[in-house]
Amino acid sequence: SAVISQKPSRDICQRGTSLTIQCQVDSQVTMMFWYRQQPGQSLTLIATANQGSEATYESGFVIDKFPISRPNLTFSTLTVSNMSPEDSSIYLCSVARTEAFFGQGTRLTVV
Amino acid sequence: AQKVTQAQTEISVVEKEDVTLDCVYETRDTTYYLFWYKQPPSGELVFLIRRNSFDEQNEISGRYSWNFQKSTSSFNFTITASQVVDSAVYFCALSEWDGQNFVFGPGTRLSVLP
Repeated sequence: SAVISQKPSRDICQRGTSLTIQCQVDSQVTMMFWYRQQPGQSLTLIATANQGSEATYESGFVIDKFPISRPNLTFSTLTVSNMSPEDSSIYLCSVARTEAFFGQGTRLTVV
Repeated sequence: AQKVTQAQTEISVVEKEDVTLDCVYETRDTTYYLFWYKQPPSGELVFLIRRNSFDEQNEISGRYSWNFQKSTSSFNFTITASQVVDSAVYFCALSEWDGQNFVFGPGTRLSVLP
């Protein structure tokens, strides 16, 4: 199994600002995943973060809007940049073993 | 391309009723993995079950049971004698290989009324 600590758990931000979400895993993992869950919707993969290389972004997500860092094998950050109300979502980080384990999520509201 | 369909957007049942949540998937891979997750109102995702494509044996865990049928590409989830605490959104998911490249279904919101 894996224990994932994600913070902040929630935040209310002004439009035009940026928020960095942190994800800490209790063991080393090769890949970490960032998902977005818009209100009432399913999970959508934003990007896959490998340690020591650029993150791989899914269609519709770009590095300028969602820069990701992966400085070591247990930690990653996702920044939501220049936020607008449409960015209001739950953001989740995840690691995969035999199944995907998820952090508690960051509930972001942009006003 | 992979796809997961959960045709039931919302289901409401009265406590102690049985309820089945449907999941239909599409994949071209011969090896794949299917999952069910529960997302209670608090928001965290709780892993319920993992099944690989070579294991069609149905599974029962307490009040939960899963019916995997490759012939119909379905992986349905049944809750027996539902309880109010079962109220949540349930997601079916598919991955090509173990634990990665997940595709989630749209989710089914289950409300169990007292």
